[in-house]
Amino acid sequence: QKEVEQDPGPLSVPEGAIVSLNCTYSNSAFQYFMWYRQYSRKGPELLMYTYSSGNKEDGRFTAQVDKSSKYISLFIRDSQPSDSATYLCATNNAGNMLTFGGGTRLMVKP
Amino acid sequence: GAGVSQSPRYKVAKRGQDVALRCDPISGHVSLFWYQQALGQGPEFLTYFQNEAQLDKSGLPSDRFFAERPEGSVSTLKIQRTQQEDSAVYLCASSIGGDEQFFGPGTRLTVL
Repeated sequence: QKEVEQDPGPLSVPEGAIVSLNCTYSNSAFQYFMWYRQYSRKGPELLMYTYSSGNKEDGRFTAQVDKSSKYISLFIRDSQPSDSATYLCATNNAGNMLTFGGGTRLMVKP
Repeated sequence: GAGVSQSPRYKVAKRGQDVALRCDPISGHVSLFWYQQALGQGPEFLTYFQNEAQLDKSGLPSDRFFAERPEGSVSTLKIQRTQQEDSAVYLCASSIGGDEQFFGPGTRLTVL
């Protein structure tokens, strides 16, 4: 079993929909949680970074962490075709290697 | 430049050849990481430098893989005697302290 699990998708939604992307993790030592967006043939781009349980909002994006259930979510409001990409969740335990989920491919249809 | 750069962007090697992949981190970033990303998978950790010191190389898959960062800035990942299973995208990331890591575009290696 991988330390970070993520549904690979693909997830297909119409433009304007609210998107929910989720990960679970098994190692309670993980302290930091990130969401990366990766377009085809590009490197991962950091979207959200959070340390504590609770919500963090940035524009149309909200990251949610529940440490008690080891569950990480990313919500995208008013999704756009330009949001079509692979979304990677990642965790680490203080300044070291990131452990990634396998990524969820999202397609937003106009 | 403003971001992490990697070269070459694409590399085709014949099985058994040696390859060298370069990473230029963001200026002033102390930490540098290498990851390997297989097709359809998330990146997997290979090795980590803090300045010129290689602090963790636990993710290197075999002794054919070697990384260096001699002056604490540019890093090179070398793969000797490449095998088909080495085909992947090799990503470099840099960070001030290690938590928020910023990635380069990657080098796509194809071993024939």
